[in-house]
Amino acid sequence: AQKITQTQPGMFVQEKEAVTLDCTYDTSDPSYGLFWYKQPSSGEMIFLIYQGSYDQQNATEGRYSLNFQKARKSANLVISASQLGDSAMYFCAMKSLSGSARQLTFGSGTQLTVLP
Amino acid sequence: GAGVSQSPSNKVTEKGKDVELRCDPISGHTALYWYRQSLGQGLEFLIYFQGNSAPDKSGLPSDRFSAERTGGSVSTLTIQRTQQEDSAVYLCASSVTDRYSGNTIYFGEGSWLTVV
Repeated sequence: AQKITQTQPGMFVQEKEAVTLDCTYDTSDPSYGLFWYKQPSSGEMIFLIYQGSYDQQNATEGRYSLNFQKARKSANLVISASQLGDSAMYFCAMKSLSGSARQLTFGSGTQLTVLP
Repeated sequence: GAGVSQSPSNKVTEKGKDVELRCDPISGHTALYWYRQSLGQGLEFLIYFQGNSAPDKSGLPSDRFSAERTGGSVSTLTIQRTQQEDSAVYLCASSVTDRYSGNTIYFGEGSWLTVV
């Protein structure tokens, strides 16, 4: 079974500063993918970044980077130079790439508030 | 269309009535997912379709819930004899392919269901 844990229900960050959102996971699958999604108050789930378990380098997408530490089973999202529009709920998710389960398993989310 | 399209965007129904929620995935996407998100909660997997394979229905909460996917494209999620606890946002997602791949999963904007 897969499990995603996000231990920060809420986070605050000052505009233009960097923030790290924590995500740890548990799986017995040898191959898996890790995702981060942003959900603003409008409700849409917006894909941010993806990391494969066999990727050698940490994923980066613009101001988003994924701090992947495989041995610690952590996949923290780093947002640099926070903007007011970054205020939203952030979900970490994973999917097996080798097992029979194909669905994304989500964490409980972190509500990020960017302060002006 | 460019993204995953869901309809209706909002639905208010009386307890005991049946509802149908529609999802039109991104063209060419063979994998399709349904998730449910209750107010302030994370995402709960419901069902997954991949090409012509038998769907993974392991997340459906009761036999009042069913889904079909016609012609490998449009999917309909049906909830029979709706209950108040069915009130939630129902999110549909699709990806290019699922098999042994970490392809990005794109979500629609959801169908907000309220059972009164």
